[in-house]
Amino acid sequence: QVQLQESGPGLVKPSETLSLTCTVSGGSITTYYWNWIRQPPGRGLEWIGYMYYSGISGSTNYNPSLKSRVTISLDTSKNQFSLNLSSVTAADTAVYYCARHKRSLLGYYYMDIWGKGTTLTVSS
Amino acid sequence: QTVVTQEPSLTVSPGGTVTLTCASSSGPVTNSSYPNWFQQKPGQAPRALFYSTNYKYSWTPARFSGSLLGGKAALTLSGVQPEDEAEYHCLLYYAGAVVFGGGTKLTVL
Repeated sequence: QVQLQESGPGLVKPSETLSLTCTVSGGSITTYYWNWIRQPPGRGLEWIGYMYYSGISGSTNYNPSLKSRVTISLDTSKNQFSLNLSSVTAADTAVYYCARHKRSLLGYYYMDIWGKGTTLTVSS
Repeated sequence: QTVVTQEPSLTVSPGGTVTLTCASSSGPVTNSSYPNWFQQKPGQAPRALFYSTNYKYSWTPARFSGSLLGGKAALTLSGVQPEDEAEYHCLLYYAGAVVFGGGTKLTVL
């Protein structure tokens, strides 16, 4: 079965760029939407963005409130996708999750598989 | 940008029934927004419960149901068990983007 595992530095200094990686095991990275989602302490979930890869080309979609700072990319050779978030502040402190969503044959969208999350703290 | 609103908190007695809702600032929630529901317990990642309003996963308890109710997506728990105490999140899809609600903390008391 497909499993997702986030990895990252744990601690990033203000104004630096946060880089996280999600490793996909047990399945292909093609023809799915690969998402990054975060959850600040004691708060709800916030969608950051996703990358979709058809096997031929990819496309991205980002949360408008984060779009200017976000890049999501994908490495098919490693079955991984990554998040870069630039110019971080304390407000970016959160648990970061990677998750898969897909479109069913009937056209329904569903987000079925999540990683366990990785905690990222922004502090000097 | 669409804002999705859920009840911040609800309390239900064991064995009771409770309905959580998910509203959109863009108007009535419809099947075209493919509502998804997730359950999250402390220290854990969210776990999917429903997609496209009322399609459940193999692991979704039978006492849970999803629907559209009064222009909102709804998650109903019947015969609530103590283990149902958790945070519940809804998700809507709009123009290819994903929007989460603020989450509902459900207390079983």
